[in-house]
Amino acid sequence: DIQMTQSPSSVSASVGDRVTITCRASQDISSRLAWYQQKPGKAPKILIYSASSLQSGVPSRFSGSGSGTDFTLTISSLQPEDFATYYCQQAKNFPITFGQGTRLEIK
Amino acid sequence: EVHLLESGGDLVQPGGSLRLSCAASGFPFYNSGMSWVRQAPGRGLEWVAVITTSGTSTFYADSVKGRFTISRDNSKNTLFLQMNNLRAEDTALYYCVKVLVVGASYFENWGQGILVSVSS
Repeated sequence: DIQMTQSPSSVSASVGDRVTITCRASQDISSRLAWYQQKPGKAPKILIYSASSLQSGVPSRFSGSGSGTDFTLTISSLQPEDFATYYCQQAKNFPITFGQGTRLEIK
Repeated sequence: EVHLLESGGDLVQPGGSLRLSCAASGFPFYNSGMSWVRQAPGRGLEWVAVITTSGTSTFYADSVKGRFTISRDNSKNTLFLQMNNLRAEDTALYYCVKVLVVGASYFENWGQGILVSVSS
């Protein structure tokens, strides 16, 4: 199975900050990676797929990059509604696997 | 608008069975891959199973293989998850998910989730 490791596990930031979350795959997954945002008590929401494609309706302050084993999710200017938990997911092989999550908290 | 509504969650004893349903609307269900993803209380996301558009191909997480069966009824726009021999570690919120296939399977739209609790 492909292991997905996110870092950091949690991060504190302020409104307006630029934040980067990293996801590392245990083997080459090409660009077959997605990012999700989950707020407390809510279902996850897809932000990015194919490593860098922005899902329709997602604000442009979210961006994704990377290929192979190393990927990043960047939020260019944090907004109050962005404080949530973020997950990466590999879609290269079954079983599909997720990272453990990164909790983005208000500083 | 895509709408996915799960039902069938309950409290069940270890070794018991449960069948989850997901009523889909707002998109061509017959033309969409579908999946189940679960989340144990306070934990991260775990993919459970996926089914292709026609239902001819299915894939499962190792943790549920041989115990869970994903199926669909395209005439009724409904997805199912039959869960047998349930264990305490199957306790989770189960999400019905519409798959976005763009060279790979991503989880495009999610239901609100249904709780399955396994306890004696």
